[in-house]
Amino acid sequence: DIQMTQSPTSLSASVGDRVTITCRASQTISKYLNWYQQKPGKAPKLLIYATSSLQSGVPSRFSGSGTGTDFTLTISSPQPEDFATYYCQQTYSIPWTFGQGTKVEIK
Amino acid sequence: QVQLQESGPGLVRPSQTLSLTCTVSGGSISSGSFYWSWIRQPAGKGLEWIGRFYTGGSASYNPSLKSRVTISLDTSKNQLSLKLTSVTAADTAVYYCAREETYSNYCDYWGQGTLVTVSS
Repeated sequence: DIQMTQSPTSLSASVGDRVTITCRASQTISKYLNWYQQKPGKAPKLLIYATSSLQSGVPSRFSGSGTGTDFTLTISSPQPEDFATYYCQQTYSIPWTFGQGTKVEIK
Repeated sequence: QVQLQESGPGLVRPSQTLSLTCTVSGGSISSGSFYWSWIRQPAGKGLEWIGRFYTGGSASYNPSLKSRVTISLDTSKNQLSLKLTSVTAADTAVYYCAREETYSNYCDYWGQGTLVTVSS
């Protein structure tokens, strides 16, 4: 299985700060990397697919980049509703696997 | 707007079979090129992909669960189902169904999730 490692595990940020979350794959996954946001008690919500494509309806302050094994999710100016847990997912090789999550909290 | 809703017992005894149904509304489960997937999440933990069923008739499973899991579609009811046999406490989790797009394989629609507890 491809292991996905996110860093940091958690972070504190103020509204308007730039937030960057990293996801590293244990082997190359080309561009097959998705990002989800999850709030407590809710299902994950798709933010970014195929590394950098913004899902319809997702604010443009979210962006993704990377290739191969190293990927990044950036929130350019987090708003109060963005404080949540974020997961990366590889869809290069079955079984699809997720990172352990990064919890973004308000400072 | 596609909507998914999981249903099934919230409590399953150890060694028994966990059976869940996901009802899809707002679109036909047999139209378009999609996979229909199950994903689970133990309390306070991360997400685990269980498997998926393609409308064309093929299934893929996580090897860690493959010997115990069956995913199927009932197109007449517009439903997706999950069966997991010989459950233990380690199978206690929130179970989600989701629609998976076939090219980049992202899940764009999710059910709200249903908690299944394995306990005697």
